[in-house]
Amino acid sequence: KAGVTQTPRYLIKTRGQQVTLSCSPISGHRSVSWYQQTPGQGLQFLFEYFSETQRNKGNFPGRFSGRQFSNSRSEMNVSTLELGDSALYLCASSSETGGGTPLHFGNGTRLTVT
Amino acid sequence: AQSVTQLDSQVPVFEEAPVELRCNYSSSVSVYLFWYVQYPNQGLQLLLKYLSGSTLVKGINGFEAEFNKSQTSFHLRKPSVHISDTAEYFCAVSDTGSASKIIFGSGTRLSIRP
Repeated sequence: KAGVTQTPRYLIKTRGQQVTLSCSPISGHRSVSWYQQTPGQGLQFLFEYFSETQRNKGNFPGRFSGRQFSNSRSEMNVSTLELGDSALYLCASSSETGGGTPLHFGNGTRLTVT
Repeated sequence: AQSVTQLDSQVPVFEEAPVELRCNYSSSVSVYLFWYVQYPNQGLQLLLKYLSGSTLVKGINGFEAEFNKSQTSFHLRKPSVHISDTAEYFCAVSDTGSASKIIFGSGTRLSIRP
């Protein structure tokens, strides 16, 4: 099975712009979640989608949004970019949503905001 | 609320030496515990997980971890490390509710010296 695929791998944007990141989960996985990884804050949960519905949301401002399509692919959007949004954004998929289900991560999209 | 503390931000060891990466957690409810590894420029990969049952859990690449409820610890061990084990290791905890709302520790960078 192909793993979780994230595109693009690298992005450079300017403050005030918006960006869209894409994630294709492992075939058959219906849950997709997004995480932000920074040296200062570590790994932080952004949101989770399951069957096109947002199930959980972390403590991020409304500039961060996402959606999931009928084929389980997911996109994350960040509007009005700030310098502090520079981070590695990781997408993870899982076959179920229960607490003991392991997450399968993509290699991430590294976003740099200048 | 749950929390995870990884006591060492960096652990240097010589090749073929044993290693222990320490993790303590805090939770008022039953939890599931995980160790993930992140190699340079990659996403996270599951090493092992504790859901219930035997407190000694074996994972991939020769790693194992022991769940100690009284000490609220879940330390990761390997009897003999290899250069290829150079990576960052994350301890994580989730409750029974959702796989995505997982709390990650701050990570331990394992560096192997030849």
